[in-house]
Amino acid sequence: DAGVIQSPRHEVTEMGQEVTLRCKPISGHDYLFWYRQTMMRGLELLIYFNNNVPIDDSGMPEDRFSAKMPNASFSTLKIQPSEPRDSAVYFCASSERVNTEAFFGQGTRLTVV
Amino acid sequence: AQSVTQLGSHVSVSEGALVLLRCNYSSSVPPYLFWYVQYPNQGLQLLLKYTSAATLVKGINGFEAEFKKSETSFHLTKPSAHMSDAAEYFCAVSDPRTDKLIFGTGTRLQVFP
Repeated sequence: DAGVIQSPRHEVTEMGQEVTLRCKPISGHDYLFWYRQTMMRGLELLIYFNNNVPIDDSGMPEDRFSAKMPNASFSTLKIQPSEPRDSAVYFCASSERVNTEAFFGQGTRLTVV
Repeated sequence: AQSVTQLGSHVSVSEGALVLLRCNYSSSVPPYLFWYVQYPNQGLQLLLKYTSAATLVKGINGFEAEFKKSETSFHLTKPSAHMSDAAEYFCAVSDPRTDKLIFGTGTRLQVFP
């Protein structure tokens, strides 16, 4: 398996634009996590899914953020409209079960200008 | 709710010296605990994990951590630092009831020759 695949690796967009981040988890993994990493706040859990179902989205900062997992091999994190304070590195991770290793993608570095 | 506190955002050691990175957790049930490492511009990689088996856990690259329930701690150690250990280290806790994987704020390790 190629591991968790995120796209794009880098995204620069203007304030107010819609941004969509994509993630392909490892095949057979039941859990998928979206994290945001910033210098100020560290690694924050935004939302996670179990078997494609969102379990906890309490970390999603605002209604501008939404996440979907239409099937076991694909998830998206959308920001609409984007703001400069959304600039961060966004990571997707997947794991087989709750007490097993979470495998991380390379991240998407988002810059909103 | 579970949480993780990492004491010291930066730790500096000389090559060959002992590495000690501190992590304390809060959880109302026996947690699963993890240490991850992040190299620049990379995702996180698992170093080791505690899932209620042996309290002393050995991981990759010579690292180990000891689960101490009485102190609610899971400190990471390595007897002799190597230049290649320079990275950011994250402690994480997973609540078996909720499946959430929560990370600490991270500790940046610098190793001087």
